[in-house]
Amino acid sequence: QQKVQQSPESLSVPEGGMASLNCTSSDRNFQYFWWYRQHSGEGPKALMSIFSDGDKKEGRFTAHLNKASLHVSLHIRDSQPSDSALYFCAASELMDSNYQLIWGSGTKLIIKP
Amino acid sequence: NSKVIQTPRYLVKGQGQKAKMRCIPEKGHPVVFWYQQNKNNEFKFLINFQNQEVLQQIDMTEKRFSAECPSNSPCSLEIQSSEAGDSALYLCASSQTGFQDTQYFGPGTRLLVL
Repeated sequence: QQKVQQSPESLSVPEGGMASLNCTSSDRNFQYFWWYRQHSGEGPKALMSIFSDGDKKEGRFTAHLNKASLHVSLHIRDSQPSDSALYFCAASELMDSNYQLIWGSGTKLIIKP
Repeated sequence: NSKVIQTPRYLVKGQGQKAKMRCIPEKGHPVVFWYQQNKNNEFKFLINFQNQEVLQQIDMTEKRFSAECPSNSPCSLEIQSSEAGDSALYLCASSQTGFQDTQYFGPGTRLLVL
């Protein structure tokens, strides 16, 4: 079983709408979470990190972390066509001195003009 | 914007050939990672370095892959004898040292093994 699972696999949202992406970890050692966005032909770009319970807002993006349920979400308000991309949730294990990220399988977000 | 530089952007090799790709990490980042992203967009960690020393590498990397991060030179990842299954996007990332430090990625090298 994948240690970091994302849903939905694909999501279509009208321009100006709200996109909500979900991520669940099956390993309580994962304490640090990131959301990355990858446009076609590019490398992943970090959108935001979240390490504490609650919400973290950066512009149109809001991440929410619930450590008790190991659930992380990303909400994009006022979605733009340029938000169309692959979105990945990635986690880092507490006290893993090798710093590697464990990745989810991704959500393909399509913003319809 | 990330300043991790990867070359070449595209690489085409025949089976059994060597494939070598390079990465210049972001200035001031001592930790460098190599990941493989397959056609299903799944990521696989290959190897990472901290100041030229290997921190961790997976079995596959130990057998057919070689990598290094010499001081004052680009980091490199080389596949000794390419296989069709190695066709993928190879991503280099760099970061500061710390569990909470963000990894910054380059654009990747897309390898096609014919």
